[in-house]
Amino acid sequence: NFMLTQPHSVSESPGKTVTISCTRSSGSIASNYVQWYQQRPGSAPTTVIYEDNQRPSGVPDRFSGSIDSSSNSASLTISGLKTEDEADYYCQSYDSSNWVFGGGTKLTVL
Amino acid sequence: EVQLVQSGAEVKKPGESLKISCKGSGYSFTSYWIGWVRQMPGKGLEWMGIIYPGDSDTRYSPSFQGQVTISADKSISTAYLQWSSLKASDTAMYYCARHLVALDYWGQGTLVTVSS
Repeated sequence: NFMLTQPHSVSESPGKTVTISCTRSSGSIASNYVQWYQQRPGSAPTTVIYEDNQRPSGVPDRFSGSIDSSSNSASLTISGLKTEDEADYYCQSYDSSNWVFGGGTKLTVL
Repeated sequence: EVQLVQSGAEVKKPGESLKISCKGSGYSFTSYWIGWVRQMPGKGLEWMGIIYPGDSDTRYSPSFQGQVTISADKSISTAYLQWSSLKASDTAMYYCARHLVALDYWGQGTLVTVSS
């Protein structure tokens, strides 16, 4: 089994850019796709990035995903921050038949 | 329109059994995996397991193997998550989701409260 480690919280001002990292503890980050989910308070999660860097329809292009094999990590970048982006963000990946979520990052837009 | 509609909130006592449901519509229910995710109060998401309704192939997270049972009735496009003996630590929100590589459509969640 592996773990995905995210920062507990990040904060940034409206209009700025923020990057949230997700580091895989064992196994290559490039071996299995990484997804990112947004969860606003009181709501179910929604997908903002799937398959490392793909955006579902309806997700603005301010959201982008990438992976970095050298640091064995994935990143979610949100540019042009809006107050509505304030939420919890979770990365997710898998190996064999086991899917794993990161611990989540609380994004504050202030 | 793809929809996953979950059963309503439950309040149970320790030791009781429970089965919650997740009904899919707007797509071929037997052609996609359905996953279950737990979120304890104030905590993060935990992947519990998945089922393929087409043939009932089921996989569990090692953390949840033996603790819950995932099943499905393809005739009514419904997946289930059940407990035989609830504990207070099972208090959480439980989500079902259509499961490809990503969980692309989510139910609204079922809040399970276990308290004496």
